[in-house]
Amino acid sequence: GQQLNQSPQSMFIQEGEDVSMNCTSSSIFNTWLWYKQDPGEGPVLLIALYKAGELTSNGRLTAQFGITRKDSFLNISASIPSDVGIYFCAGQVETSYDKVIFGPGTSLSVIP
Amino acid sequence: EAGVAQSPRYKIIEKRQSVAFWCNPISGHATLYWYQQILGQGPKLLIQFQNNGVVDDSQLPKDRFSAERLKGVDSTLKIQPAKLEDSAVYLCASSPPNRLDTQYFGPGTRLTVL
Repeated sequence: GQQLNQSPQSMFIQEGEDVSMNCTSSSIFNTWLWYKQDPGEGPVLLIALYKAGELTSNGRLTAQFGITRKDSFLNISASIPSDVGIYFCAGQVETSYDKVIFGPGTSLSVIP
Repeated sequence: EAGVAQSPRYKIIEKRQSVAFWCNPISGHATLYWYQQILGQGPKLLIQFQNNGVVDDSQLPKDRFSAERLKGVDSTLKIQPAKLEDSAVYLCASSPPNRLDTQYFGPGTRLTVL
């Protein structure tokens, strides 16, 4: 079945550093989504990507939809302590109900 | 605008007992989802409703899990009987009309089965 892989699994960085994480799959997706989950909360949508090659920014976050439609990456510039959390990529399949499949997540820790 | 509401936030039960979770989506959102999130993993879709009809329950363990959304608004998810491996966070989410790419999640219910 469709499965997403995220790397790295976890990362520890110094405040102010840039962060890069990616998501890959053997399947093609029509939409890529990036969510962040804080402890004890549900995931919150950060960025949505709809076209192969698309590059989209949301403040210090930038994400790209891979040309092959099988991958995506997320960059965070100048990290701050509130960036701590788990980042999930998700791919959406074009069906009658647009099913969304989540990756296993990348855990980010920011050292002040 | 009020977010997705879920209750209870925490539940501890013994195996073979029953448990039910409740979700009230954002007003006007026709699509409602239940996800299971095991520790260290991403959310896994259990069931998706469009209004009060089921559009996807392919990953719902139907021998023990059931869900309903009788009036097309709030929803309940039930587990009967619970197993140890059901320990997880159960997330409810909803989407606005024609925006299935945008899901708003509730805070989840953390279930511990002993």
